[in-house]
Amino acid sequence: DQQVKQNSPSLSVQEGRISILNCDYTNSMFDYFLWYKKYPAEGPTFLISISSIKDKNEDGRFTVFLNKSAKHLSLHIVPSQPGDSAVYFCAASAEGSARQLTFGSGTQLTVLP
Amino acid sequence: EPEVTQTPSHQVTQMGQEVILRCVPISNHLYFYWYRQILGQKVEFLVSFYNNEISEKSEIFDDQFSVERPDGSNFTLKIRSTKLEDSAMYFCASSGTSGVGTKNTEAFFGQGTRLTVV
Repeated sequence: DQQVKQNSPSLSVQEGRISILNCDYTNSMFDYFLWYKKYPAEGPTFLISISSIKDKNEDGRFTVFLNKSAKHLSLHIVPSQPGDSAVYFCAASAEGSARQLTFGSGTQLTVLP
Repeated sequence: EPEVTQTPSHQVTQMGQEVILRCVPISNHLYFYWYRQILGQKVEFLVSFYNNEISEKSEIFDDQFSVERPDGSNFTLKIRSTKLEDSAMYFCASSGTSGVGTKNTEAFFGQGTRLTVV
């Protein structure tokens, strides 16, 4: 039962261009969404989040968009840098769920110099 | 910057043995979690812990697993009789006073313990 789906296992982007990572969810109870970045042999690192009452949240080069009706969110990175190359996980949480995070399967982003 | 620390970074154990994975969450956090990631698969929720008891657990977290906060600073995951399929990266995480999703607090993860069962 994949409540959070990241359908693209990998994405390659040229340095300086925009990276767009997508995530879909099925559980309408999710009210908080997060993106984590993970390097090999390290734990996930929090990147950016969005509450379901918003449709956009921006932090520097990173912007997360939420389309509740489509149950879809996306992470935009612009401009992309080689250091952004990592696995990006989308995660979601529902109020009343003891705050557990449900993760997508991840997208490997490679930014080519 | 405060961080979640996990020890050991790598644990090799024989099938059927007990292992204890240790975590020191961020000191003022109240919610604690264990996740695992089998090689090549997604990060999976195991258990959440709040107010000295399990808040929620997944179906992965069966009777061979247990968690404990023995001394107010450590948070441990015990696997009683390890199986080959328990081999994975185990991540500890903690979140703030209100938990993930309330007041926009996120979970902070440790570096993980790589458990290899042979």
